Amino acid sequence: EAGVAQSPRYKIIEKRQSVAFWCNPISGHATLYWYQQILGQGPKLLIQFQNNGVVDDSQLPKDRFSAERLKGVDSTLKIQPAKLEDSAVYLCASSPLRPETQYFGPGTRLTVL
Amino acid sequence: AQSVAQPEDQVNVAEGNPLTVKCTYSVSGNPYLFWYVQYPNRGLQFLLKYITGDNLVKGSYGFEAEFNKSQTSFHLKKPSALVSDSALYFCAVREPHNNDMRFGAGTRLTVKP
Repeated sequence: EAGVAQSPRYKIIEKRQSVAFWCNPISGHATLYWYQQILGQGPKLLIQFQNNGVVDDSQLPKDRFSAERLKGVDSTLKIQPAKLEDSAVYLCASSPLRPETQYFGPGTRLTVL
Repeated sequence: AQSVAQPEDQVNVAEGNPLTVKCTYSVSGNPYLFWYVQYPNRGLQFLLKYITGDNLVKGSYGFEAEFNKSQTSFHLKKPSALVSDSALYFCAVREPHNNDMRFGAGTRLTVKP
């Protein structure tokens, strides 16, 4: 079974630029999550989708972050404009409809200069 | 809201010795508890989970964890550590009817030959 795929793996941008990350979950998984992991901290949930609907985006900084999962499969997370404090690893995870175990992708390491 | 504490930033053990990585949690109601491992430049890999049933849970790579309700703990253990177990370990908790999974800050395990 293929795992969660993410791209790119690394991204370096300057502050105020825009960036987008892509995630393809495990086939058949209805629920998709985006997490932000700042160095030295545990992952923090940004947004959760169930199929193509948003379940929880309470911790998403909506003034600069947006995410979509239009067809209920893959998803994109966008930051516009980026700030220095957005430097982190962005992790995508997916789980079956009854979410117990979340399966994580390799992450995208973002560096904002 | 639920929370997790990993009181040790770093755990050092010698190869062949038993290891314990500590985790305590706070949640209203019955918890769902998880352990994940993160290797350098990799996403989080699922190790084991407690949902219900036997308090001793066995997981991947010889790891196990014991759910202790009275002490609100879910410590990760392994009888004999390997150098390849060196990694970052995260404990996580969520409530059964809440999709928000909270992660601890992580514990870096170093196993020395």
